[in-house]
Order: sequence, then structure tokens, then C-alpha cells
Amino acid sequence: QKEVEQNSGPLSVPEGAIASLNCTYSDRGSQSFFWYRQYSGKSPELIMSIYSNGDKEDGRFTAQLNKASQYVSLLIRDSQPSDSATYLCAVNINAGNNRKLIWGLGTSLAVNP
Amino acid sequence: EAQVTQNPRYLITVTGKKLTVTCSQNMNHEYMSWYRQDPGLGLRQIYYSMNVEVTDKGDVPEGYKVSRKEKRNFPLILESPSPNQTSLYFCASSLSSPQGSRDTQYFGPGTRLTVL
Repeated sequence: QKEVEQNSGPLSVPEGAIASLNCTYSDRGSQSFFWYRQYSGKSPELIMSIYSNGDKEDGRFTAQLNKASQYVSLLIRDSQPSDSATYLCAVNINAGNNRKLIWGLGTSLAVNP
Repeated sequence: EAQVTQNPRYLITVTGKKLTVTCSQNMNHEYMSWYRQDPGLGLRQIYYSMNVEVTDKGDVPEGYKVSRKEKRNFPLILESPSPNQTSLYFCASSLSSPQGSRDTQYFGPGTRLTVL
């Protein structure tokens, strides 16, 4: 099992719909979870971070964390064409004596007008 | 404006010709790192630096060198580039190590390197 897994997509949603992006991770001890957005050919930028079980909302974005099931998701409400991008999940995992930030391969989202 | 800058943004070179990609941040961040991004492999860390004169290997350090002589600069050096180093490279910085903290990583705009 990969340490951080995401569906590669593409996930296609109509404008105005809710886009749901999922990420699973292997280390039960993980404590920090991040969602980055990356437009084609551009650099990743932080969208949301979450550390506790439950939901965290920021504008149209909601991050959901379930440590028992080892998944973290990102919901985008009222999706806009400008949300079309690749969304990267990053998780702090235990790596021996240290912790390491592991990146998923990303889910490509296409929002259709 | 708070930012991470990289130069050059695009580079085509030939096998064996030494090159340096510069990275600079103006946020007084202690932590800096280099990533490469390849289709199907995602973001992989090459080297990182916790502070001036403190650097360590990431997941794919072979063929690369770094130095951190000043807090703001973290150049990536390819002594003898090979075609398998053709990739998109990102420099990133954060206040402290993202591995052990909740600090946001700020990425530079990327350098697209082609080695022929």
C-alpha cells in the first residue's frame, strides 16, 4: 500500500456542483494533513490544512479528517471553472526517528461550465 | 511581496554540462527544500536545509548537490546532468520544517529542465 493515495482522476463536475476529493494514508500516527492546489505548469499552493478529526471550513472549501478510517477529503462547494486544477494531498508520516511529509500523486479536477 | 524565486525558469542543456538553479526567499524562513516533479511519480524531495550550513538528503539526492551559505539562498547544483534529470524542479521554504510542524510551505514558480 502506498503511503498516501489519491485517485488520479480526472474528476469532472459541472459548474456549481460539489467536488469531492479523497486521500487515504497508511500511517495511523499521522497528525498533519494538507491540501495543495496546482494549476497546470504552476507551483503548488496551500488550500487547507487540518489536524483534528472532523470538518474544517474555509469559504467554499471544507476539509474532512477521519483518523480512524485514515482518510482525509476536500469538498469544494459551488465549483467554478477556475477550480480546475490538480489537488495534492500531503501527510506527515512516521519515518523511523523522524517524521516525513509524503505527497500523493494528485487528483485532477475539471469543472465544466 | 513575500515570495520564493527561482532562476532560470526554463533550461535546456546537454549531458555533463554543470548547471546551477538558484532559489531565494525573502520571508526569513529557516527551512528550504528542493523537489522534482515527474508524471506518475509526483513530488519527490531532493534535498532540504533546516538552517544555514545545515543540509540533508531527501528521497532522491543522487546526482544533485546543494549549499546553504546564507539564510535566503539555497542553490541546486547538477555537477554532471544526465537525461534522467529532465524534470520540473521546485524550491520551497517554510518557517520551520513542515515534517514536524504545521508551517505552510511556499513554493517557487518552478524550473523546467531538459537534459539532452
